Amino acid sequence: DIQMTQSPSSLSASVGDRVTITCRASQGISSWLAWYQQKPEKAPKSLIYAASSLQSGVPSRFSGSGSGTDFTLTISSLQPEDFATYYCQQYNSFPLTFGGGTKVEIK
Amino acid sequence: EVQLVETGGGLIQPGGSLRLSCAASGFPVSSNHMSWVRQAPGKGLEWVSLIYSGGGTYYADSVKGRFTISRDNSKNTLYLQMNSLRAEDTAVYYCASGGGEYFQHWGQGTLVTVSS
Repeated sequence: DIQMTQSPSSLSASVGDRVTITCRASQGISSWLAWYQQKPEKAPKSLIYAASSLQSGVPSRFSGSGSGTDFTLTISSLQPEDFATYYCQQYNSFPLTFGGGTKVEIK
Repeated sequence: EVQLVETGGGLIQPGGSLRLSCAASGFPVSSNHMSWVRQAPGKGLEWVSLIYSGGGTYYADSVKGRFTISRDNSKNTLYLQMNSLRAEDTAVYYCASGGGEYFQHWGQGTLVTVSS
């Protein structure tokens, strides 16, 4: 199975900050990586697929990069509605696996 | 507009069975890959099962042999039959769909609690 490791597991940031979350795969997954945002008691929301393709309707302050084993999700200017938990997911091979999540909290 | 609505969750005793349903609207389930993803209380996301548009199915090792994914194209509904339930199956179960093996659209989830 491919293990997905996210870092950090949590972070505190202020509105307007640039935030970067890292996701590392235990083996190469090309660009078969997605990112999701989840707010408390809500279903996850798709942000990015294919490592860097923005889902329709997602603000352009979100961006993704990387290929192979190392990936990043960047929020260029953190907004109040961005405080949430973020997950990466590989879909290179079964079983499909998620990272452990990164909780973005208000500083 | 794509909409996914899960039903069928509830409290069930260990060893029992439950069938979850996911009613889809806005697209035909027959032409999309459909998945179930679960989230135990306070924990992260765990993929459970996927059915391809062509009918092929895949399962997480933790549920293989106990859970069965299926769909009814005439009802535009996805199902998850869960047998031999264990305490560790307690979770919110989400139905998800997408163009590939990632999850573009999600339902609101249904809670399954396995407890005596």
